[in-house]
Amino acid sequence: GENVEQHPSTLSVQEGDSAVIKCTYSDSASNYFPWYKQELGKRPQLIIDIRSNVGEKKDQRIAVTLNKTAKHFSLHITETQPEDSAVYFCAAPISGGYNKLIFGAGTRLAVHP
Amino acid sequence: DTGVSQNPRHKITKRGQNVTFRCDPISEHNRLYWYRQTLGQGPEFLTYFQNEAQLEKSRLLSDRFSAERPKGSFSTLEIQRTEQGDSAMYLCASSAQGETEAFFGQGTRLTVV
Repeated sequence: GENVEQHPSTLSVQEGDSAVIKCTYSDSASNYFPWYKQELGKRPQLIIDIRSNVGEKKDQRIAVTLNKTAKHFSLHITETQPEDSAVYFCAAPISGGYNKLIFGAGTRLAVHP
Repeated sequence: DTGVSQNPRHKITKRGQNVTFRCDPISEHNRLYWYRQTLGQGPEFLTYFQNEAQLEKSRLLSDRFSAERPKGSFSTLEIQRTEQGDSAMYLCASSAQGETEAFFGQGTRLTVV
């Protein structure tokens, strides 16, 4: 069945450093890859997404890259700030729809001042 | 806080009891999703509605679980004969047809004792 693997499970960086989180997916038909941020006790919130017809997308300090051949995509956060500390989830669609998603296990990012 | 609303926020129940959760999606969204999230894991897809039609159910949704969306607006998720393994956060999300972004509610945290 479909699977999404996410690495690392925890990531600790100093404020101002960059953070990279990587995911691989199994379903070659997947065409949409969102990233969600979840702060403690709060709902998952979409921070950026990418469709399969582009290789990279950027929004201020965050960017996502996609390699369809290798079936992996990555989240890049530059100039990290303490408020970036949260759990980040990658996801890919279960066959047949954008938002029937299979999520990675999450990466807990800690940004230290 | 406009957006997807879930009630109750927390539910503690004894094993064997039935529980029902409610989700009110964003008003113009015709697509509604239920997910389950256990501690330290990403959300797991349970079921999906388009308007009032339940179009897909995950294998995770045992016969003790039933979801409805009778008028294509709010949805309910009922768990019968709860088990300790049902303890989790139950998340609802909604999206508009043709749109990729799904918006999550705050979730209902179920504890079965």
